[in-house]
Amino acid sequence: ETGVTQSPTHLIKTRGQQVTLRCSSQSGHNTVSWYQQALGQGPQFIFQYYREEENGRGNFPPRFSGLQFPNYSSELNVNALELDDSALYLCASSLAGQSSTDTQYFGPGTRLTVL
Amino acid sequence: DQQVKQNSPSLSVQEGRISILNCDYTNSMFDYFLWYKKYPAEGPTFLISISSIKDKNEDGRFTVFLNKSAKHLSLHIVPSQPGDSAVYFCAAVAMYSGGGADGLTFGKGTHLIIQP
Repeated sequence: ETGVTQSPTHLIKTRGQQVTLRCSSQSGHNTVSWYQQALGQGPQFIFQYYREEENGRGNFPPRFSGLQFPNYSSELNVNALELDDSALYLCASSLAGQSSTDTQYFGPGTRLTVL
Repeated sequence: DQQVKQNSPSLSVQEGRISILNCDYTNSMFDYFLWYKKYPAEGPTFLISISSIKDKNEDGRFTVFLNKSAKHLSLHIVPSQPGDSAVYFCAAVAMYSGGGADGLTFGKGTHLIIQP
């Protein structure tokens, strides 16, 4: 069974640029959630995708957007990067969308640095 | 406004002793609580969970206690082992009220150090 994988591992961008982060969910999982973890903080929920539709969103501006593909892999896109976007971005997959106590399994994350 | 609080940034415990990590929450809609463990350069790993209909859940060396009236939960690790050294995150969600798609709300974490 393959776990959650994310790419790239590290990324450096400059302010104003755009970035795309990728996530492959654990085999059989149809739900993907993205989290942002700033230094010294806990992960903060960005949004969740279930069967290719966004079905939940945290307090993040519209320049944070995502996609989920038929194979349940996912992308997180961030436009007009700001210095405060520097963080570890975590992807988590689970078996069944909202209202489920199914465990979320996290990938190792992508470390984004915005200069 | 932090809805999940872990007030101890770090905790040092001797190997073999009990480790107790604490977590407080303010949102009365939260009804499902989880503990995750994180090693450097890895994603958080699920440890144990508890729903609001219970006050205790055990899994091997790990026990979580929930005090709903105090909006407080704690994770007990007995006995503590060197491999338990990691950052522990408490997380909560309003699962049974349909808030599962709102994602998990995490605390800032407690760095547990097990000393030999």
